[in-house]
Amino acid sequence: DIQMTQSPSSVSASVGDRVTITCRASQGINSYLAWYQQKPGKAPNLLIYAASYLRNGVPSRFSGSRSGTDFTLTISGLQSEDFATYFCQQTNTSPYTFGQGTKLEIK
Amino acid sequence: QVQLQESGPGLVKPSETLSLTCGVSGVSISGGHWWIWVRQPPGKGLEWIGQIYHSGMSNYNPSLESRVTMSVDKSKSQFSLTLTSVTAADTAVYFCARGYSSRGTYFSCGGDWGQGILVTVSS
Repeated sequence: DIQMTQSPSSVSASVGDRVTITCRASQGINSYLAWYQQKPGKAPNLLIYAASYLRNGVPSRFSGSRSGTDFTLTISGLQSEDFATYFCQQTNTSPYTFGQGTKLEIK
Repeated sequence: QVQLQESGPGLVKPSETLSLTCGVSGVSISGGHWWIWVRQPPGKGLEWIGQIYHSGMSNYNPSLESRVTMSVDKSKSQFSLTLTSVTAADTAVYFCARGYSSRGTYFSCGGDWGQGILVTVSS
């Protein structure tokens, strides 16, 4: 299985801050990488697909990028509604594995 | 508006079979999308269980493959998950999802999700 190593596991930030979350794939996954936001008791919500494409309706403060097997989710100008847990998922090679998650908390 | 809704028992006894259904509305289940199952043990991360296409073509997580079966019922616009010989380790919130699509390209990441159903394995 492809391992997705996500970091950090948690991060504290303030409204207006810029936050970066990283996922590293254990082998090449091309750009088949998605980012999700999940709030307590809710289903994941797709933010980014194909590494850098913003899903329709997702605010432009969210962005994704790829450098080789390293993938980054950046949130620029944190809003209160962004405090949640974020997961990456590779869909290049079955089984389609998730990162362990990053909990974004209010400082 | 696409809606997915999981249904099934919330409590299953050890060694028995877990059976869940995902009802789909607002979109044809016979379109080009993948239909996906994901689970999340309480307080933990997400685990991909598998996906199925309307034709019945499917692929499963090898860690569960010997116990998992997925199916599609086009007449009822629903797809299903069965997991046999369950143990406490199968206790989780089970989500169904529709694979995302954009500009005619279909992806295996989940674009629309059900609310999830907690299944507890306990005697």
